[in-house]
Amino acid sequence: EPEVTQTPSHQVTQMGQEVILRCVPISNHLYFYWYRQILGQKVEFLVSFYNNEISEKSEIFDDQFSVERPDGSNFTLKIRSTKLEDSAMYFCASSAGTGVNTIYFGEGSWLTVV
Amino acid sequence: QKEVEQDPGPLSVPEGAIVSLNCTYSNSAFQYFMWYRQYSRKGPELLMYTYSSGNKEDGRFTAQVDKSSKYISLFIRDSQPSDSATYLCAMSRNDYKLSFGAGTTVTVRA
Repeated sequence: EPEVTQTPSHQVTQMGQEVILRCVPISNHLYFYWYRQILGQKVEFLVSFYNNEISEKSEIFDDQFSVERPDGSNFTLKIRSTKLEDSAMYFCASSAGTGVNTIYFGEGSWLTVV
Repeated sequence: QKEVEQDPGPLSVPEGAIVSLNCTYSNSAFQYFMWYRQYSRKGPELLMYTYSSGNKEDGRFTAQVDKSSKYISLFIRDSQPSDSATYLCAMSRNDYKLSFGAGTTVTVRA
């Protein structure tokens, strides 16, 4: 079964450092997303990406965050200068088209900022 | 009022019992309603999807949506220890951005 893969599974970084989280969406999917889940809290929408541009972003997704599809297979989330409150599980997701029932999530990248 | 409210539990039931989960919401624009299962430190996995009001059944799982009451439910019949997980409700106005509940942790005791 096709799956969304994410790397790294866990990263520890110093406050103020830049972090890049990587995702390989399902190969024929066109819509890409990042969600995050702070420990003990809800899964929250960060950003959606289609046709090489951001289609929607939440208020969490401020200037510290950026997304990129650098080649035909990867989709990355960059946090420019990490803060303690960025510690969370970050989920990449993808879908073939519009339709919430077609969204598949990866297993997540756990980011710890110290 | 929170956009999506879900009792975090935890909920513990004996094997074979019916598990009943529910969420309420405040945004009347939600049209798409989902239930996800999440195992510890894993990504959410879609279980059930419903558009607008009504019931949907899939094997041991039944999802119900009552838009007039802004209330959705998930029932798991003949629960198994393998059903032990966190169950997340999620909703959407459009068809790609999801708003999640906090999740209910369920343990099915053998």
